[in-house]
Amino acid sequence: DVKVTQSSRYLVKRTGEKVFLECVQDMDHENMFWYRQDPGLGLRLIYFSYDVKMKEKGDIPEGYSVSREKKERFSLILESASTNQTSMYLCASSLLGGRNQPQHFGDGTRLSIL
Amino acid sequence: DQQVKQNSPSLSVQEGRISILNCDYTNSMFDYFLWYKKYPAEGPTFLISISSIKDKNEDGRFTVFLNKSAKHLSLHIVPSQPGDSAVYFCAARFDNYGQNFVFGPGTRLSVLP
Repeated sequence: DVKVTQSSRYLVKRTGEKVFLECVQDMDHENMFWYRQDPGLGLRLIYFSYDVKMKEKGDIPEGYSVSREKKERFSLILESASTNQTSMYLCASSLLGGRNQPQHFGDGTRLSIL
Repeated sequence: DQQVKQNSPSLSVQEGRISILNCDYTNSMFDYFLWYKKYPAEGPTFLISISSIKDKNEDGRFTVFLNKSAKHLSLHIVPSQPGDSAVYFCAARFDNYGQNFVFGPGTRLSVLP
């Protein structure tokens, strides 16, 4: 079974702090994704990566950056946290290219910015 | 503008009856569709999928129907069980190479005992 592990289930930070959310997958997947989930809006894509050191912006990248130094690890960084970044953050992974298969999600990190 | 819509934010069904969750999409280039189930404080769990070359896919109590001309898909759960109470997300793939999906806003299903 695919395992996607997010380092924290709950996190409370203060406005202006730099916040790191970590995600690790154990299935040698090429693709990794960061989403945020807000009520009534579903899952919105922040950033994704097809390979090590590679990143692409999703629909809502403003205020975020990412890092992928190793294939299994994809980090989301809030450069200067703001209250409107309070949300549930979900990491996902999948194989690359041309196959019909789903993304696999971690359990999420509920982040509160005070 | 949302490319994937789930127009019912919530749905209540009696245990043992059929649950029907609906999803509409706007982009005819979507080629693969997924349904995910999500419990509170957990990540989405993949439930069932359907390729655009099919119109039906069945897995146990779960069946997904695809109507390409109407750009509509639906998830049927028969019979519904209290453990099915969760938020259900519909997702459509727009990027075959990168496996990128657009997600709907979700429908909260409550199955009443």
